[in-house]
Amino acid sequence: QSVLTQPPSVSAAPGQKVTISCSGSSSNIGNNYVSWYQQLPGTAPKLLIYDNNKRPSGIPDRFSGSKSGTSATLGITGLQTGDEADYYCGTWDSSLSAKVFGGGTKLTVL
Amino acid sequence: EVQLLESGGGLVQPGGSLRLSCAASGFTFSSYAMSWVRQAPGKGLEWVSAISGSGGSTYYADSVKGRFTISRDNSKNTLYLQMNSLRAEDTAVYYCAKDRGTPVTPSSGMDVWGQGTTVTVSS
Repeated sequence: QSVLTQPPSVSAAPGQKVTISCSGSSSNIGNNYVSWYQQLPGTAPKLLIYDNNKRPSGIPDRFSGSKSGTSATLGITGLQTGDEADYYCGTWDSSLSAKVFGGGTKLTVL
Repeated sequence: EVQLLESGGGLVQPGGSLRLSCAASGFTFSSYAMSWVRQAPGKGLEWVSAISGSGGSTYYADSVKGRFTISRDNSKNTLYLQMNSLRAEDTAVYYCAKDRGTPVTPSSGMDVWGQGTTVTVSS
């Protein structure tokens, strides 16, 4: 059971928008930065969003992040078939003194 | 080019030991915290351990505390994970990852990942 809760799967058509939620508590999301990772099949994870809503260089602005209270959201617009991947949220948990991940969300672009 | 290259994975019997290494290049290694993250077959990401840039602070997931030890040699730009008393549930691909900051916390995300090394614990 993951400390952070994500939906197991989401789907949308090419060109559409999708959001992926990540729910936590005051000891993790509520008081720490959230990051998001994309893991394409058979590859290592890749940082998409850091510090709740910042994009590393090279990440297109189709990807966005937000945080409100103890929840965070990843948004992806203009969906492409190449976006099909597993997406994970992550943060620090101050009570556990540990990094924590969500269980991951599989995105299917129909 | 910023790069992380893990090595040391393999097949080990339950109760055995293994040491993973992660060679870093392309950045000032001592300026960044580093982490180990694992992924069991067909499962999600699980953070294992992290160490500050200086090596003075270390953190562990409860699942490995007391069995695994993270360390780094900044003169060799190398991160290590000593794994003892291995169990079947430690079977996974182990990734090393570079943190965006020098201390482990506050955590600002992990922006560089290695390709992973596979550890299989089985008799």
